[in-house]
Amino acid sequence: GAVVSQHPSRVICKSGTSVKIECRSLDFQATTMFWYRQFPKKSLMLMATSNEGSKATYEQGVEKDKFLINHASLTLSTLTVTSAHPEDSSFYICSAVLRQGGGEKLFFGSGTQLSVL
Amino acid sequence: QKEVEQNSGPLSVPEGAIASLNCTYSDRGSQSFFWYRQYSGKSPELIMSIYSNGDKEDGRFTAQLNKASQYVSLLIRDSQPSDSATYLCAVYYGQNFVFGPGTRLSVLP
Repeated sequence: GAVVSQHPSRVICKSGTSVKIECRSLDFQATTMFWYRQFPKKSLMLMATSNEGSKATYEQGVEKDKFLINHASLTLSTLTVTSAHPEDSSFYICSAVLRQGGGEKLFFGSGTQLSVL
Repeated sequence: QKEVEQNSGPLSVPEGAIASLNCTYSDRGSQSFFWYRQYSGKSPELIMSIYSNGDKEDGRFTAQLNKASQYVSLLIRDSQPSDSATYLCAVYYGQNFVFGPGTRLSVLP
């Protein structure tokens, strides 16, 4: 399968700081990437859809000014959690769409566990 | 509202048995269907994709699709304790992948 790299895997930060998470498709180009968050034992929650070269589309209830998404190239999307607070602590996962043979498949990064103190 | 439904479980099966996981979806226009495995604390991993009616086999995994019934299933033969995980069903609608809530599978030694 295709490889999606996500860094960092774990970050601990103080309240009020900003954290940037990178998501790279290593062996394919991804015009579309998705960002999710997940709480323990809960379902994936889609935060936003990131399309290369255009503004991200945020799901209802997700603050676009707090969760800044940039998809400046076909292999890189970043999520910046601005002015992080303890309630932002969660597992953040990116994914990238691989289009081949007329079909699409979704591959996930390894996730970032964010802990805000 | 596009929906994907799964029984949340937990589904418990003894080692060596067949585990059967089910999923239904709401949009008849869906063309692509996927099963992901997610271990606790890890991200989902794609294990099967299926696009046409019938069965698709890959090792111990078999995906079954019935578009008329809007139903997709995953069978795991010779279940192993290492198969214990949450299994997510996903359906591709247009530009989006919609995930079910997942079924937690526990394979008992």
